[in-house]
Amino acid sequence: SAVISQKPSRDICQRGTSLTIQCQVDSQVTMMFWYRQQPGQSLTLIATANQGSEATYESGFVIDKFPISRPNLTFSTLTVSNMSPEDSSIYLCSVNFDSRGTQYFGPGTRLTVL
Amino acid sequence: AQKVTQAQTEISVVEKEDVTLDCVYETRDTTYYLFWYKQPPSGELVFLIRRNSFDEQNEISGRYSWNFQKSTSSFNFTITASQVVDSAVYFCALSEAVNYGQNFVFGPGTRLSVLP
Repeated sequence: SAVISQKPSRDICQRGTSLTIQCQVDSQVTMMFWYRQQPGQSLTLIATANQGSEATYESGFVIDKFPISRPNLTFSTLTVSNMSPEDSSIYLCSVNFDSRGTQYFGPGTRLTVL
Repeated sequence: AQKVTQAQTEISVVEKEDVTLDCVYETRDTTYYLFWYKQPPSGELVFLIRRNSFDEQNEISGRYSWNFQKSTSSFNFTITASQVVDSAVYFCALSEAVNYGQNFVFGPGTRLSVLP
């Protein structure tokens, strides 16, 4: 499988600010996925990002709060805007590398909002 | 709608004990895919196994084994002779064929602690 990296690995931010998380893959992929994992909870899909089109957001997530870019087939960013302490979570990106439909995950970004 | 239940929130075992993690799923689709992932304290999600709904063969990989039973909608995971390094949160996930590779639904996870 290919390598997925995320930046930053962790950050501590102030309320009201924004943070952009990067996801880089070392091979071209059609779809990239962004997940949120709140403390002690399971993973929740935020949105699916296709290259060249608008991201598709899941219920409860909006573009103004979580804008996503997908400029090419190996890279995507997720911005967490106007942060509040409730946004403290691990944010993970994932991709399908093969035809078997498996999602492979990046190492995650651990965000703490004060 | 699809749903995954992992009834065991936390399990503690002593090293070398066997442990089974339960996963029960719900789906209306006749073709679907089941997954197990491991999340160690570092936070990264590690893929362990994928199973098709039309393949009910059980699988063994080293100390890990999986028991898939469509009749009970279960996909249980057993670790034999557990080790401290097995301590992690384990997630079961479901993906329906209509959204192949997408729309994964994850269970709540089971936190496994293996004590020395």
